[in-house]
Amino acid sequence: DIVMTQSPDSLAVSLGERATISCKSSRSVLYSSNNKNYLAWYQRKPGQPPKLLISWASTRESGVPDRFSGSGSGTDFTLTISSLQAEDVAVYYCQQYYTTPEYSFGQGTKLEI
Amino acid sequence: EVQLLDSGGGLVQPGGSLRLSCAASGFTFRNNAMTWVRQAPGKGLQWVSSISPSGNNTYYADSVKGRFTISRDNFRNTLYLQMSGLRAEDTALYSCAKTRGDQWLISFWGQGTLVTVSS
Repeated sequence: DIVMTQSPDSLAVSLGERATISCKSSRSVLYSSNNKNYLAWYQRKPGQPPKLLISWASTRESGVPDRFSGSGSGTDFTLTISSLQAEDVAVYYCQQYYTTPEYSFGQGTKLEI
Repeated sequence: EVQLLDSGGGLVQPGGSLRLSCAASGFTFRNNAMTWVRQAPGKGLQWVSSISPSGNNTYYADSVKGRFTISRDNFRNTLYLQMSGLRAEDTALYSCAKTRGDQWLISFWGQGTLVTVSS
C-alpha cells in the first residue's frame, strides 16, 4: 500500500498571504512510461463533498482559480495557494491514483484564516 | 450538469445490513468507472470499493472485502453498495464518486449518505 502523509495537519494563514501544503508518498507515484505523477489534490469545504482541484500533480481543473498550483514529482508534492482568499477555508487532501483503484488519501490539512 | 444523489444510509445494529444507492445523471453513466469512498467522524477519506464501467470488474478495500458488494445498473444509471456484517468501525459518511479516464481519477463526488452502526 502507498501511504500518503500531509503536513501540516492544520494551517492558519492571513488573507492575501501564501499557503503551502506538503504531501509525501511512501513510494513513487511517477509512472515512468508516460512520465506522469498520479497525484491529485481535493478541496473539501464544510458541508460539501470534495472537489477536484488538481490532477497529474500540477494540472488545474477547469474553473479552478490560478492562485492554486501543484508541484512536485516522485514522492514529494506541494499545493500552493498564492494569495489566500476567505473562500479557500477548507480541508485539503492529496490522493494517489498510481495503484488505482486502490486509492489512498492523505489525512487532510485544515486551512484557516 | 453532473449529479450524484446518494441515499440509503441510516442507523443499523452491529451485524446488520444496509444497501446504499447512488443515482447518477448529467453524464453517460455506462462509460465511467464508479467508486465509493467513506469518511468516519473526525477521520480522513478512505476508499471503499470501485467498479468498472461494465460492472464486470469490482475492487474492495481489505477492511470491507467479503462483507460489502458493489454493483451497478447501467439502465437505471444507479450505483449500489450492499453492506452486511456491519461493524461500529463502518460508521461513516459514504459518498459515491464518478471517475474519468483510464486511470480512474475521481473527478466528482456525491454529497454522501450517513451510515451509523450502533446498538
